[in-house]
Amino acid sequence: DAGITQSPRHKVTETGTPVTLRCHQTENHRYMYWYRQDPGHGLRLIHYSYGVKDTDKGEVSDGYSVSRSKTEDFLLTLESATSSQTSVYFCAISESIVNQPQHFGDGTRLSIL
Amino acid sequence: KQEVTQIPAALSVPEGENLVLNCSFTDSAIYNLQWFRQDPGKGLTSLLLIQSSQREQTSGRLNASLDKSSGRSTLYIAASQPGDSATYLCAVRPSNRDDKIIFGKGTRLHILP
Repeated sequence: DAGITQSPRHKVTETGTPVTLRCHQTENHRYMYWYRQDPGHGLRLIHYSYGVKDTDKGEVSDGYSVSRSKTEDFLLTLESATSSQTSVYFCAISESIVNQPQHFGDGTRLSIL
Repeated sequence: KQEVTQIPAALSVPEGENLVLNCSFTDSAIYNLQWFRQDPGKGLTSLLLIQSSQREQTSGRLNASLDKSSGRSTLYIAASQPGDSATYLCAVRPSNRDDKIIFGKGTRLHILP
């Protein structure tokens, strides 16, 4: 399995609090992605990174920010969590966008009360 | 805008049967198509990646085909086993300047012992 670690695996917090999720990879892959998965919507891209300090928005980026200061770490921050951000969050990595697969972490289950 | 559809949303078949899962996409301009498996509470596991220039890929009991012109891919599972029960997702990588993969919502497969 690809070396991807997401932390925490589970988190419960209150509306209005800041939350940071971490994705750590040991594969030295260039591309990293944050997705959320919700019933009825499937997987939706939040933000992605194509290199250190290089990030871009995905389909559902409002309310989220990201940072990538090192190749191995990609952080997702909810500045002020809302109940609509309750979801399962997945990190993915890939070596190339053209001819290499994406590999996923095991996810973080986030509940905003 | 690229859309990916998987029908049916759920499927139950007796153990030992061969089965086919379907994936359709609206825009044939893709780099590749990837099939994933997701077990409950887990992340996605990459099964097969088919490049746009390829017609099929095989791994063990799995065979994935791609007909880019008609916007279709199939995942064939031979001699199904209860351990094959999972949700299967397909995803396409558009060949525009966008880095973003588009996912289908998946087919939930249940193999009856």
